[in-house]
Amino acid sequence: DAGVIQSPRHEVTEMGQEVTLRCKPISGHDYLFWYRQTMMRGLELLIYFNNNVPIDDSGMPEDRFSAKMPNASFSTLKIQPSEPRDSAVYFCASSFKVSGEQYFGPGTRLTVT
Amino acid sequence: AQSVSQHNHHVILSEAASLELGCNYSYGGTVNLFWYVQYPGQHLQLLLKYFSGDPLVKGIKGFEAEFIKSKFSFNLRKPSVQWSDTAEYFCAVNAGNDMRFGAGTRLTVKP
Repeated sequence: DAGVIQSPRHEVTEMGQEVTLRCKPISGHDYLFWYRQTMMRGLELLIYFNNNVPIDDSGMPEDRFSAKMPNASFSTLKIQPSEPRDSAVYFCASSFKVSGEQYFGPGTRLTVT
Repeated sequence: AQSVSQHNHHVILSEAASLELGCNYSYGGTVNLFWYVQYPGQHLQLLLKYFSGDPLVKGIKGFEAEFIKSKFSFNLRKPSVQWSDTAEYFCAVNAGNDMRFGAGTRLTVKP
């Protein structure tokens, strides 16, 4: 398996633009997690899915953020409109169980100017 | 509220020095415990994990961690660090459907 795949690896956009981050989990993993990492706030859990259903989105910062998982092999995290304070590295991770080891993707480094 | 605390924000050591990074959590029930490492510019990777059994867990690259239930702690140790251990280290705790990461500890090893 290629591991968790994220795209793009880097994204630079202007304030106000829509940004879509993509993730392909490891095949067979039932759980998918989205994290945001910044120097100031560390690693924050944004949302996680179980069998494509969002279970806990309490970490989503505000309505500008939305996440979907239309099928077992694909998830998106969308920011609309984007703001400079959204600049961060966004990680996707997947696991067999919510209590198990999480496998992280390489991350998307987002810069909003 | 449930929380995971890593008290050391940045640790600087010389090569061959011993390492201990603290991790404390506030969950009262059964927990699964993890340490992840993030090398510069890379994604998080699992170092070791504890689910049950021997509270002293050995992981990759010579790392180990000890689960002390009475202290709600899961400290990471390595007897002799190398320059290549320079990275950020994250403690994570799972309890039921709740998975939380600590803020991370940055380790810098001077050659």
